[in-house]
Amino acid sequence: GQQVMQIPQYQHVQEGEDFTTYCNSSTTLSNIQWYKQRPGGHPVFLIQLVKSGEVKKQKRLTFQFGEAKKNSSLHITATQTTDVGTYFCAGFPSGNTPLVFGKGTRLSVIA
Amino acid sequence: DTAVSQTPKYLVTQMGNDKSIKCEQNLGHDTMYWYKQDSKKFLKIMFSYNNKELIINETVPNRFSPKSPDKAHLNLHINSLELGDSAVYFCASSQGFRGGYTFGSGTRLTVV
Repeated sequence: GQQVMQIPQYQHVQEGEDFTTYCNSSTTLSNIQWYKQRPGGHPVFLIQLVKSGEVKKQKRLTFQFGEAKKNSSLHITATQTTDVGTYFCAGFPSGNTPLVFGKGTRLSVIA
Repeated sequence: DTAVSQTPKYLVTQMGNDKSIKCEQNLGHDTMYWYKQDSKKFLKIMFSYNNKELIINETVPNRFSPKSPDKAHLNLHINSLELGDSAVYFCASSQGFRGGYTFGSGTRLTVV
């Protein structure tokens, strides 16, 4: 079945540094979604990307969808302690099937 | 009002017992899901229910059975619990399969 690979698994940064997590799929994705899960919390939907080459911004967060629709990235500028958590990308294998999640990138921010 | 609510939040039980987790959503979504999150934080789909159509993940043991009395509720019943069933179980809902998912706060199941 389709796999959604995500790297790195862990990332530790100093507050104020930038952070990027990458997502790759073995097959073309119809769209991709990103979620954030705070420690002890539940995944929260951040954004969905649909078009090839699409770039979307949410304040300090920038999301990109690759031209071939097989990869995506999330970049956070000037991290803050509130950015701590696990960031998941997720894609749809095919047709009417549920989301398949990447394994997530756990972000730690050192103040 | 909580959009997707799960009960109980914590569940500690002995091996071999049968337990249920309840989920309700008030978003008017037509699709609901159960995901299992293991100790390594990997989120794995178990079931989805869309307009009375159940989609089963073939890797889920048949000790797990979802029940959906209506499109606002999707409960999960687990028979003969095993140690390996210990995990956090998340219910989620969406409008169609392609919408953003709204997750419940999770049920932490511990089998001893």
